[in-house]
Amino acid sequence: AQKVTQAQTEISVVEKEDVTLDCVYETRDTTYYLFWYKQPPSGELVFLIRRNSFDEQNEISGRYSWNFQKSTSSFNFTITASQVVDSAVYFCALSEADRGSTLGRLYFGRGTQLTVWP
Amino acid sequence: NAGVTQTPKFRILKIGQSMTLQCTQDMNHNYMYWYRQDPGMGLKLIYYSVGAGITDKGEVPNGYNVSRSTTEDFPLRLELAAPSQTSVYFCASRVGGVQPQHFGDGTRLSIL
Repeated sequence: AQKVTQAQTEISVVEKEDVTLDCVYETRDTTYYLFWYKQPPSGELVFLIRRNSFDEQNEISGRYSWNFQKSTSSFNFTITASQVVDSAVYFCALSEADRGSTLGRLYFGRGTQLTVWP
Repeated sequence: NAGVTQTPKFRILKIGQSMTLQCTQDMNHNYMYWYRQDPGMGLKLIYYSVGAGITDKGEVPNGYNVSRSTTEDFPLRLELAAPSQTSVYFCASRVGGVQPQHFGDGTRLSIL
C-alpha cells in the first residue's frame, strides 16, 4: 500500500533561518511520482514540485531545494533563508504511475505546519 | 485563467439535508478528483473520474455520489448530510501522464 509520513506536525523558525521538512514514503511500485504542495493560510493548494522515481537528482529553485533519496525512501524539502510568507502547511504526496485505470491518484501525508516569525 | 472553480466557498447544512458541491475546469483535463481535508490530516480521495461518463470510488466514498456528464464538470453530491462530513472539500484535475493535479480553492462545509 502507498503511504506518506510527515513526522513533523509543526515547525517554528525565525526569519532567515533554514528549515527542512521531512517526508518518508512507502510504495511497492517501481515507477512513482513524488510531489510537494503548499497550503497558505488562504487555504488553496499550490503545486511546488514533482519528482519521478527514476530521477534522484536534487533540485534547487530559488530558496527551495529538494533532496530525493530512494535508498531511504525520503523526499525532503529545504527552504533557505526563510521568510514570513513561507508560513503555510506543506504536504508531501505520492502518486502511482499511470497505467490504465490506476490514474495517478495522490496519497498525501498529514502535512507540516511551518510558521516563520519575523 | 480560471483553472478549477469550486462553488460555493462556504456552506452550512443541517443534518439530513442534501446539497451538491460544484466543480468545473476549463483546461480540458480528462482526470478529475474530489478530496476531503479534515483538521490536521492530509487529503483523502473521495471519488475520481478518468473522463466523461466514467467515475470510481476512492478511499472514503460513503455518503457521497458523483457524476461526470461533461469533461468540464464533476459535481459531488451529499444526499443525507451527517456531522462526520464536516470538512474542507477540494476538487482537482489533471491532463494525464506525469502532469500534477491542479486544485480548486476548496469548499468549507459545516454540518450542524
